[in-house]
Amino acid sequence: DAGVIQSPRHEVTEMGQEVTLRCKPISGHDYLFWYRQTMMRGLELLIYFNNNVPIDDSGMPEDRFSAKMPNASFSTLKIQPSEPRDSAVYFCASSRRGQGLYEQYFGPGTRLTVT
Amino acid sequence: DQQVKQNSPSLSVQEGRISILNCDYTNSMFDYFLWYKKYPAEGPTFLISISSIKDKNEDGRFTVFLNKSAKHLSLHIVPSQPGDSAVYFCAASAGNEKLTFGTGTRLTIIP
Repeated sequence: DAGVIQSPRHEVTEMGQEVTLRCKPISGHDYLFWYRQTMMRGLELLIYFNNNVPIDDSGMPEDRFSAKMPNASFSTLKIQPSEPRDSAVYFCASSRRGQGLYEQYFGPGTRLTVT
Repeated sequence: DQQVKQNSPSLSVQEGRISILNCDYTNSMFDYFLWYKKYPAEGPTFLISISSIKDKNEDGRFTVFLNKSAKHLSLHIVPSQPGDSAVYFCAASAGNEKLTFGTGTRLTIIP
């Protein structure tokens, strides 16, 4: 069974450019999470979806960040315009209620560098 | 405001000895706790968890202890092996799918 798939694995872009990160959750999972990892703050939850509906976006840093989940097998996290302080590793995770209490399965992450 | 804190950024332990990783939390609504392990260039993977109705959970070499009155939990690894070298994250849930993670502790096992 394939795990969570994220693309691209690495992204280098210039300040002011639009960045789109992609995620394919594990089939059958009904929750999808977007996290950002930094040295100072560890793993921060940005937003999560249940059955494709955003449930909590309180972690989204500002309006430059947006996330969508058009169907059960695909989600995007967009940053427009990007800034150097957005440089971090972004993880997508998915889970299924009832399969291991609150256990989430993470993708390999996208390392974003904004110059 | 860090609701889950891992105050030791790094820890080095000799192979075969016990590794103890600590985690403190401030939110009294947290009732379920998880530990994740992360290797470089990979996503975190689930390791072990504990409910607030318990004070100990064991899985092979890994044991998690919970002290609710102190709002403290710890992960014990015995005996430590080189493959245990990784970053360990503590996470907490307040009864729903949303997890709050700590900043992580980098564990290095010295052969």
